[in-house]
Amino acid sequence: NSKVIQTPRYLVKGQGQKAKMRCIPEKGHPVVFWYQQNKNNEFKFLINFQNQEVLQQIDMTEKRFSAECPSNSPCSLEIQSSEAGDSALYLCASSLGTGGAGTLYFGAGTRLSVL
Amino acid sequence: GQGVEQPDNLMSVEGTFARVNCTYSTSGFNGLSWYQQREGHAPVFLSYVVLDGLKDSGHFSTFLSRSNGYSYLLLTELQIKDSASYLCAVRDGNTGNYKYVFGAGTRLKVIA
Repeated sequence: NSKVIQTPRYLVKGQGQKAKMRCIPEKGHPVVFWYQQNKNNEFKFLINFQNQEVLQQIDMTEKRFSAECPSNSPCSLEIQSSEAGDSALYLCASSLGTGGAGTLYFGAGTRLSVL
Repeated sequence: GQGVEQPDNLMSVEGTFARVNCTYSTSGFNGLSWYQQREGHAPVFLSYVVLDGLKDSGHFSTFLSRSNGYSYLLLTELQIKDSASYLCAVRDGNTGNYKYVFGAGTRLKVIA
C-alpha cells in the first residue's frame, strides 16, 4: 500500500477563495508530482519537484497556483483564487527518481469542489 | 503534441481475459507504465515496460511496440474484483522532461 499521505481528503471553497492541500511523500522519495484529475478522469500534470527544487511546471501552475516542497515539511499545492473549473481530484505522487522506471506512488488525493 | 489514447470502456466475462489498449505519441520515449485505479482510490502501479515485446507478470501481462506507439495490458482469468479503471502513462525521454503523460483510463467491467 502507498504511504503517500494527502490532506484534506475533501475541500470545499467558494470562487475566489484560496485552496490549499498538502502531501507527505513516501519516506526516502525525493521526487514529487502533482496531477489534476478532472471529472472525465483526464490527468493534467501540474508540477514536479526534486527535493525542494521545481523540475517542471505548466503555465497554469506558474500563474495561479503556488507549490512548494520544503525540507522536513509536507509539500503543498495552493490555488490562489479558486475557479469553478478547478473542481477536480488533486493527486500527489512520489518517486525514487526521475529515470524511466521511476514508479509513481500516489496518495488518495484531495477532492476539491469550488462552488 | 504529446498524447495518450485509451478506449473509454471495456466489458469482459469472469474467467476470461481482457486486453486494454493504449496508443501514444510523444516526442521522446523513456518507458510506459500501467496503473490500476479503483473508484475513489489512488492509482496503483502494475507494470513498467521500455523494451518491445511481451512481459508476462502472471495475472497481468504487458506488450509494447515502440515503432507503432502501442501497448496493451492483458488481464487473464478475470475476477469480478478486476473491475477498475486501467491507466496508461508514458514518460517522455527528452532531456528536462520528467513528467508522465497519462491517458484518461479504460474502465473495465467484469461480469459474471
